[in-house]
Order: sequence, then C-alpha cells, then structure tokens
Amino acid sequence: ELKVEQNPLFLSMQEGKNYTIYCNYSTTSDRLYWYRQDPGKSLESLFVLLSNGAVKQEGRLMASLDTKARLSTLHITAAVHDLSATYFCAVDMYSGGGADGLTFGKGTHLIIQP
Amino acid sequence: DAGVTQSPTHLIKTRGQQVTLRCSPISGHKSVSWYQQVLGQGPQFIFQYYEKEERGRGNFPDRFSARQFPNYSSELNVNALLLGDSALYLCASSLWVWDREAQYFGPGTRLLVL
Repeated sequence: ELKVEQNPLFLSMQEGKNYTIYCNYSTTSDRLYWYRQDPGKSLESLFVLLSNGAVKQEGRLMASLDTKARLSTLHITAAVHDLSATYFCAVDMYSGGGADGLTFGKGTHLIIQP
Repeated sequence: DAGVTQSPTHLIKTRGQQVTLRCSPISGHKSVSWYQQVLGQGPQFIFQYYEKEERGRGNFPDRFSARQFPNYSSELNVNALLLGDSALYLCASSLWVWDREAQYFGPGTRLLVL
C-alpha cells in the first residue's frame, strides 16, 4: 500500500523567511504533484514533477523530486501572507491497465504572519 | 474555457438516505475521478472512469458507485448514508486515464449527513 507522508503538518512562519516542506512516499513512482488548498475551497494545481531530478519554480515556490530517495520538497522563499494555505503532495500509482488515482499526504497547514 | 463543474455545491441528508453528486469535466477531457476529503485530511481516491468504463477503484464500500456518460460527465452515488460520509466530494478531470499532467479539480460538493 502506497503511503505518502508530509512534514511538517503545521507550520507557522514569518513573512520574509524561507522554509521547506517535505514529502516522502513509500513505493516507486516518478509522478508527483503539489496542490494548494485555501480554506473551504478546492485544490489548485501548483506543480507536476514527472522525472527524477525535476525542479520547477513559480514565483516564491520551488518544487523538486528525487525518485531514488522517494522524496519531494516544496521550498518557500521570502514568504508572504498570500501563501498561507494548506499544501498537499500527491503520488500517482497508475500502473498498466488499472488506475489507482492519486494518493495524497495529510497536508501541511501553512500560516505566514506579518 | 469552463473548468470542472460540480453540483450541487452543498447538500444535507440524513442517515440511511441516498445521494447523487454530479460532475462535468473540462471540455475535451475524457477521464473523471472522484475523491472524498474528510475535514482536516487529504483527499482519498474513490473511482476513476475513462470512456464510460471504471478504470480504478479505491478502498470504499459498495455503497459507493459511479458512472460516466457519453458526454464524459459523471455521477457519484452513495447509498445508505452514514454520518462518516460527511465530507467534501471532489471531482477531477484529465485528458486520458494515463495522462501524466495534473488532474484538475472541481469546486466540490460539501455533503453533511445528520
């Protein structure tokens, strides 16, 4: 059974600081996704990482994937209040003719304070 | 272009009742997936449909069923509702079942079972 673990689950940080969210998964996969969810809202796609060593950046967020270590990171640079949200990583275990959907971590609840 | 749409947005039911949730994928997308998100948790995979066929199923009881129509829209049915079925139900669409790009999520249907 695929397990996806995020840490930390809760993070309070000040504006202007840097921090990293970690996502570990238990089974080989080369497809990892990061989503953002605001309170009461749906999921917004942030990054799709499809190969070992993949790195993607959008504004103050940068995501990377190490398939050998089964680890992805989401790095926040010079945080601003607007980045306050819950961030989920998800791993895709699609295999051959069957679809197993995305397996999500529990999410990292991020609060950025002035 | 319109994104994924879901209806209704909110729903209140009582234990033992049945509920039907609806989803229309992004135009051109042929695969629809359903997820259940309990408060404070990451989404859990329920079903994936592609070309009107079930291609994947998560660990949910037989009370949960779904179907996909020729226009690629989908319905999720839940029978004999339990209090624990209270959750945000998310629909996601993608081009194909083996699509390596992100699944795009709809706004969700918030179900409360009393």
